[in-house]
Amino acid sequence: AQKITQTQPGMFVQEKEAVTLDCTYDTSDPSYGLFWYKQPSSGEMIFLIYQGSYDQQNATEGRYSLNFQKARKSANLVISASQLGDSAMYFCAMRTGYSTLTFGKGTMLLVSP
Amino acid sequence: GAGVSQTPSNKVTEKGKYVELRCDPISGHTALYWYRQSLGQGPEFLIYFQGTGAADDSGLPNDRFFAVRPEGSVSTLKIQRTERGDSAVYLCASSPVGGASYGYTFGSGTRLTVV
Repeated sequence: AQKITQTQPGMFVQEKEAVTLDCTYDTSDPSYGLFWYKQPSSGEMIFLIYQGSYDQQNATEGRYSLNFQKARKSANLVISASQLGDSAMYFCAMRTGYSTLTFGKGTMLLVSP
Repeated sequence: GAGVSQTPSNKVTEKGKYVELRCDPISGHTALYWYRQSLGQGPEFLIYFQGTGAADDSGLPNDRFFAVRPEGSVSTLKIQRTERGDSAVYLCASSPVGGASYGYTFGSGTRLTVV
């Protein structure tokens, strides 16, 4: 069975600082994909970044980077230069097989001025 | 359409009633997914369609839940004899093919409240 664990219920960061949101995963499937989504108070799930299990390099998308440590089964999201608009719930998710996503419980990020 | 559209955005119903939730995916997306998100939790998978057929319905909690996608585009999630425990946000997502690596596009969800 697949499992995603996010151990930080909430995180606080000051504007312009960097923040790391933790994610560990468990699967026996050698082929999988890891995703991070942002969910603002409006409720929509916004795709941020993707890392494939066979990708050699860590994924980056603008201010977002994914710190992929395969041996530790971790896929932490790093947000550089936090902005007030980054305040939201953040979900780590994993896809194995053909399609469906397994989500963690999420981390609430609050960015203060 | 430009994004995944879900209607209604909010639905309040009485215990025991029947409800239908609609999802209109991005035009051309063959894969469609339904998830349920309870308060304080991450989304949980319900059902996956590839085209018109349900490729995986293993997440449906019981036989009160049913979903269709008759023409391979719009999908309807149907809940019979609603219970208070069904209260949650129901999210729909679509992707061009099953297993997209670059992300599934989610709608804003339908918040269902059973009173």
